[in-house]
Amino acid sequence: DAGVTQSPTHLIKTRGQQVTLRCSPKSGHDTVSWYQQALGQGPQFIFQYYEEEERQRGNFPDRFSGHQFPNYSSELNVNALLLGDSALYLCASSLGTRRGAYYEQYFGPGTRLTVT
Amino acid sequence: ILNVEQSPQSLHVQEGDSTNFTCSVPSSNFYALHWYRWETAKSPEALFVMTLNGDEKKKGRISATLNTKEGYSYLYIKGSQPEDSATYLCASQGPSGGYNKLIFGAGTRLAVHP
Repeated sequence: DAGVTQSPTHLIKTRGQQVTLRCSPKSGHDTVSWYQQALGQGPQFIFQYYEEEERQRGNFPDRFSGHQFPNYSSELNVNALLLGDSALYLCASSLGTRRGAYYEQYFGPGTRLTVT
Repeated sequence: ILNVEQSPQSLHVQEGDSTNFTCSVPSSNFYALHWYRWETAKSPEALFVMTLNGDEKKKGRISATLNTKEGYSYLYIKGSQPEDSATYLCASQGPSGGYNKLIFGAGTRLAVHP
């Protein structure tokens, strides 16, 4: 059973460029969340996709956008890259959400983005 | 904003030592508490999810307790081994900002020396 996979593993971009990161959820999962981990901090929630729609968004600018495909895989897009966007981007998948239910999120290994 | 605080920031112990870390969350805003273990160059691995005051969970030599009234959780490792070296993250899930996201602490980095 494949776990959560992310691509690419590492990426180097220049300020002002755009980047797309990809995530395939764990088999059977239909919900994908994206997190950004900057150095010395815990992962920060960017947004979550469920049924191909953005269900919830964290405190990130509109330069961060995403998409979920019918097969539940997801992309994270970041436009107009800043130096401060350099971080590890983690994708997590889970099995649906319903109000009042907790759920485990399974994480991928992350994509290390460096903006120069 | 719900802040999750973890202490200590880092910890160095000798093989065989028992150790524990703390995760603090505002008790007024809480639904579930998650613990993850994150080894270098790997994916964060879910250890426990706890929701009830007084919950105790155990996996091998690792256990965790939860006190929702006081707003903290403890993670214990009995007889630490070098393979326990990792960053241990806790995350809260609650109504503040929506149930869907996890709010993480900065983690406790554990190094177990042979």
